[in-house]
Amino acid sequence: AQSVTQLDSHVSVSEGTPVLLRCNYSSSYSPSLFWYVQHPNKGLQLLLKYTSAATLVKGINGFEAEFKKSETSFHLTKPSAHMSDAAEYFCVVFYLYSGGGADGLTFGKGTHLIIQP
Amino acid sequence: DGGITQSPKYLFRKEGQNVTLSCEQNLNHDAMYWYRQDPGQGLRLIYYSQIVNDFQKGDIAEGYSVSREKKESFPLTVTSAQKNPTAFYLCASSMPPRGPYLRNTGELFFGEGSRLTVL
Repeated sequence: AQSVTQLDSHVSVSEGTPVLLRCNYSSSYSPSLFWYVQHPNKGLQLLLKYTSAATLVKGINGFEAEFKKSETSFHLTKPSAHMSDAAEYFCVVFYLYSGGGADGLTFGKGTHLIIQP
Repeated sequence: DGGITQSPKYLFRKEGQNVTLSCEQNLNHDAMYWYRQDPGQGLRLIYYSQIVNDFQKGDIAEGYSVSREKKESFPLTVTSAQKNPTAFYLCASSMPPRGPYLRNTGELFFGEGSRLTVL
């Protein structure tokens, strides 16, 4: 079985400072990993994805994440936070053939990112 | 522009009533999904469909029903049997997998969501 843990339910940073959202996963096999962003009362939008190519993945809006197999982590970072980054962020693990939910996907419970002016 | 359209965005229902949430996509995706989102819970899969005229239960299908008569459409009915239907409902679709044994690519395209409130 696979699982994903987002280590912080809320993260608060000041505008212009770095952002770190932590995600750890558990999977018996090499998974694909995703980060999605959700603004209030909106659907989810893909930020970036890891699918066994380069371990450092760059996404939209200046975000990036590094896949560390030894640490089973896929933390999301951004060098400088912007007010528009305030949103909910979801880490998702996907195993192609089985595991997780019926769709192969397991969602983390989300991290609410707050940007202080 | 291609995308997924959910309607209505807000819906109020009295207890004992069935309601149907619409989901339409023009991305030419085969697979479509319905998720339920509650605060602090992440997303939970209700139903999914990988092809027209076929669908499977997800993790929390009780009290819900779906149909997939057209590739573009995947409506969700919240029945009176659903004991706690107040939630945010998200429809999604995914690109077809590249291999014969893959369920999907894992990359989902979401609609804007429908918020259902039971009065």
